[in-house]
Amino acid sequence: DGGITQSPKYLFRKEGQNVTLSCEQNLNHDAMYWYRQDPGQGLRLIYYSQIVNDFQKGDIAEGYSVSREKKESFPLTVTSAQKNPTAFYLCASSPTPRGSGNRYVETQYFGPGTRLLVL
Amino acid sequence: AQSVAQPEDQVNVAEGNPLTVKCTYSVSGNPYLFWYVQYPNRGLQFLLKYITGDNLVKGSYGFEAEFNKSQTSFHLKKPSALVSDSALYFCAVRGNNDMRFGAGTRLTVKP
Repeated sequence: DGGITQSPKYLFRKEGQNVTLSCEQNLNHDAMYWYRQDPGQGLRLIYYSQIVNDFQKGDIAEGYSVSREKKESFPLTVTSAQKNPTAFYLCASSPTPRGSGNRYVETQYFGPGTRLLVL
Repeated sequence: AQSVAQPEDQVNVAEGNPLTVKCTYSVSGNPYLFWYVQYPNRGLQFLLKYITGDNLVKGSYGFEAEFNKSQTSFHLKKPSALVSDSALYFCAVRGNNDMRFGAGTRLTVKP
């Protein structure tokens, strides 16, 4: 899992509650990502950030929000608008590309994940 | 749009036998392909990637993958499977801003 940490390992959400998942990296990576993993569906992108103070929606951003105030941190908030939040959430980061044409070749490195359960 | 497909949900092999986990891809432009492994309740671990060059890519833990442009495939292989290789394997292709993952293949290696 390298230099990416996620906390907590397990998180329980009550009806109507917002919860925040933490993701921190000490790899000096510019880009960070949030994925949701459901059984049999692989990983789906929620949000990503290529640089501090900027982030973009992924495929399933509805009901989620993020911030990127520091390079090392990319917290994900699961809001009450997310009706089916039970899943395994994975944070990832990737190195700064060397050269403008190399962004696509950078490997993403993953944290250990947070499992969110609804009470 | 970039995508990958893993046609097998489950692969079972006996310890010591060779293993193959299949992946096919669909891309516009050059394919940048990756394999990751996931153990229970853990994050994904990077195994190997194909960017350019030799079609046979060697990675971690004795795994390798063969890039085949004509068949648009990037199958993961290992000459001799270990029980400890049992895990969930994901093929992925790098898109414009993200990574597109297959649904995963569960590999079970039996003693």
